[in-house]
Amino acid sequence: QKEVEQNSGPLSVPEGAIASLNCTYSDRGSQSFFWYRQYSGKSPELIMSIYSNGDKEDGRFTAQLNKASQYVSLLIRDSQPSDSATYLCAVISLDYGQNFVFGPGTRLSVLP
Amino acid sequence: GAVVSQHPSWVICKSGTSVKIECRSLDFQATTMFWYRQFPKQSLMLMATSNEGSKATYEQGVEKDKFLINHASLTLSTLTVTSAHPEDSSFYICSAGDRRGITDTQYFGPGTRLTVL
Repeated sequence: QKEVEQNSGPLSVPEGAIASLNCTYSDRGSQSFFWYRQYSGKSPELIMSIYSNGDKEDGRFTAQLNKASQYVSLLIRDSQPSDSATYLCAVISLDYGQNFVFGPGTRLSVLP
Repeated sequence: GAVVSQHPSWVICKSGTSVKIECRSLDFQATTMFWYRQFPKQSLMLMATSNEGSKATYEQGVEKDKFLINHASLTLSTLTVTSAHPEDSSFYICSAGDRRGITDTQYFGPGTRLTVL
């Protein structure tokens, strides 16, 4: 099993809809989780970090963490075409020397 | 927020030459910097982790003699691609770790696009 898994997509949603991006991880001891956004040809930029179970909201973005299920998600409300990008889930894994482990990314396409 | 710069942003070189890429953390001290490579339509591949003042730790399959990493200060790490060949053409991205308490956050530089002719 890979350390961090994501659906590769592409995930297509209409403008204004909620986009839901999912990520699972294998290291049960992981404590830190991150979502990055990467536009084509650009480097990743940090969107949110989450460390505790539950929801964390920042503008149109909500990160959800469930450590028991080893699952972290990112919801994007009122999706805009400018949200079209690849979203990377990252986990600090104790199994991996406390290094960041990135998922393969999910490509999101918001259709106008 | 934490800002990481990279220089140059784009470089074209002849096969056999060496190219140096600089990565700087502008407003924080980065004890750890990471170097990634990304080929078109593929995910990030971690090449190496460098800690200030010590030797870099390379990922399996990455040639340490070809990709020289120096992390001389808390704000600067360099990656030198020695004797570059066309297959080294890629998007090279650095990130710097900003340690706050027990958590780490990685902030990425804008990347350097290397084209080897």
